[in-house]
Amino acid sequence: DADVTQTPRNRITKTGKRIMLECSQTKGHDRMYWYRQDPGLGLRLIYYSFDVKDINKGEISDGYSVSRQAQAKFSLSLESAIPNQTALYFCATRAAGANVLTFGAGSRLTVL
Amino acid sequence: DQQVKQNSPSLSVQEGRISILNCDYTNSMFDYFLWYKKYPAEGPTFLISISSIKDKNEDGRFTVFLNKSAKHLSLHIVPSQPGDSAVYFCAASEASGTYKYIFGTGTRLKVLA
Repeated sequence: DADVTQTPRNRITKTGKRIMLECSQTKGHDRMYWYRQDPGLGLRLIYYSFDVKDINKGEISDGYSVSRQAQAKFSLSLESAIPNQTALYFCATRAAGANVLTFGAGSRLTVL
Repeated sequence: DQQVKQNSPSLSVQEGRISILNCDYTNSMFDYFLWYKKYPAEGPTFLISISSIKDKNEDGRFTVFLNKSAKHLSLHIVPSQPGDSAVYFCAASEASGTYKYIFGTGTRLKVLA
């Protein structure tokens, strides 16, 4: 099983719908991140969390919200999806004191 | 404002030759730099990193060079292999700060057999 698991891997939804992307990890890391990848724009940070009670906005948090349900789970929500949120979304984890992010396989979201 | 830039969207190299991928940054507070490799339908995987107290770090065929005065780093792959064909991202962070990792836009490397 993957250390960082993202569900769903692919999702097509319509404008205005609420969508949740989930991330769970078995690495025991307390730091978790959500990034989105767009062609030509690389990976941009949406939100990050250092523990269950700590949530921080990244570069592009508008239109998104997150929930850290447990140390191992970090979900990303789009309350009302719009077409420019069509992207590849990645969850990542990091151990305290370490410098390396471990990424999940990604969730491809298409908003029609 | 793109704090980490990879100005070459793509690069083609012959198998066995050297691949050089470049990355520039603007934030002088960055003190830790990483390279990630990404294959299609997979998440980025860590390749190699360097702290700002060093100017070179090697790991097998991969070497990262850091020029702090120029705010520039490069990844050298020698010799290049077809399996190295992937998108490469550089990333930077302020290790003493909030540990936000800022990524570049990526360079697609194609190693020709």
